Amino acid sequence: GAGVSQTPSNKVTEKGKYVELRCDPISGHTALYWYRQSLGQGPEFLIYFQGTGAADDSGLPNDRFFAVRPEGSVSTLKIQRTERGDSAVYLCASSPSPLAASNYGYTFGSGTRLTVV
Amino acid sequence: AQRVTQPEKLLSVFKGAPVELKCNYSYSGSPELFWYVQYSRQRLQLLLRHISRESIKGFTADLNKGETSFHLKKPFAQEEDSAMYYCALRKGFGNEKLTFGTGTRLTIIP
Repeated sequence: GAGVSQTPSNKVTEKGKYVELRCDPISGHTALYWYRQSLGQGPEFLIYFQGTGAADDSGLPNDRFFAVRPEGSVSTLKIQRTERGDSAVYLCASSPSPLAASNYGYTFGSGTRLTVV
Repeated sequence: AQRVTQPEKLLSVFKGAPVELKCNYSYSGSPELFWYVQYSRQRLQLLLRHISRESIKGFTADLNKGETSFHLKKPFAQEEDSAMYYCALRKGFGNEKLTFGTGTRLTIIP
């Protein structure tokens, strides 16, 4: 596609439920990143994929959070047993390569606003 | 751990006046510094990076390692500069994690 696509754009869920957030990066971009942005804060790193593998998952806050990218394109961020503190905008970004990310920055999606009630 | 501080949450400047958005960082190594911008109803996008030493839309930023700062400057503000600005740090090539500051909302007063 023309840009990074994230679905859904908004998600309201009840505390304790399971949610999946989807990211469709720009075709051919091997690097994919997930960030979380809470109200009044800057984006906070969650996980980085290079191809199919998670190269750095040090930002995942706990084991309720998990992300996959099985074919090296679309990625899904999965949150189990959601808590009210998980409410945030979840941003996805992609880049042709880590070097391109350094030179040209990421291409961000418009985000998924998750609200846990 | 690395940290990025943007001390001003809000900044209002008259059109035509100079702009300076402050960014300080803490990291003991040699970081890469970036400014990202988010205009109203648009996605977050890269504005400039310290490595290139470029001027984008009239904005410049110089990395001052002695003061650990990377302030964003523009000599004459324009109304279209109104946006949210984030300073970000990367520990270096090969480390893909960006650490963002909390952002500064810049409003240009006509």
